Amino acid sequence: QKEVEQNSGPLSVPEGAIASLNCTYSDRGSQSFFWYRQYSGKSPELIMSIYSNGDKEDGRFTAQLNKASQYVSLLIRDSQPSDSATYLCAVLGSSNTGKLIFGQGTTLQVKP
Amino acid sequence: DTGVSQNPRHKITKRGQNVTFRCDPISEHNRLYWYRQTLGQGPEFLTYFQNEAQLEKSRLLSDRFSAERPKGSFSTLEIQRTEQGDSAMYLCASSRFNSGNTIYFGEGSWLTVV
Repeated sequence: QKEVEQNSGPLSVPEGAIASLNCTYSDRGSQSFFWYRQYSGKSPELIMSIYSNGDKEDGRFTAQLNKASQYVSLLIRDSQPSDSATYLCAVLGSSNTGKLIFGQGTTLQVKP
Repeated sequence: DTGVSQNPRHKITKRGQNVTFRCDPISEHNRLYWYRQTLGQGPEFLTYFQNEAQLEKSRLLSDRFSAERPKGSFSTLEIQRTEQGDSAMYLCASSRFNSGNTIYFGEGSWLTVV
């Protein structure tokens, strides 16, 4: 079992729709969770972090965390073609190294 | 811009040659990470420094790879006797301990081994 799992996609949504990206993790002791966006040929860019169960909203983005189910999600409202990218879920392990473990990423395509 | 800086951004080398990448972290960030990313995969952890101490190194990391962070500032990643399988983007990232450990990435260094 991979430590952090994401569906590689591609996930295709029409412009203006809600895109839902999901991630599961195996280390039950994990405390911090991050979503990065990565455009083709570029490095990952942090868009959201979440540490507590529940929802965290930032503009059009909402991160959701359920530690009991070991599940993290990212919702993108009013999706725009510029949101087309790969979204990486990253989990900070329970050891105190600060090392992030990444999923393989989900490719999102927003069609005009 | 005071973000994480990496150079060179692109490197093409012949198989068997050595290459070195440099990373300058965000100032006052005491943690520095190296990751490797290949097409279609998420970044894979290579190694991590806290100040000048290398505290963790991936078990997957070949002996041909070595990293240093003298004086706890910039870091170098050297790959000796490169192989075609080393072709990837090498990402450097930094964070400040106890800041929620938010990790910020540099723009990456692309390596192509021919």
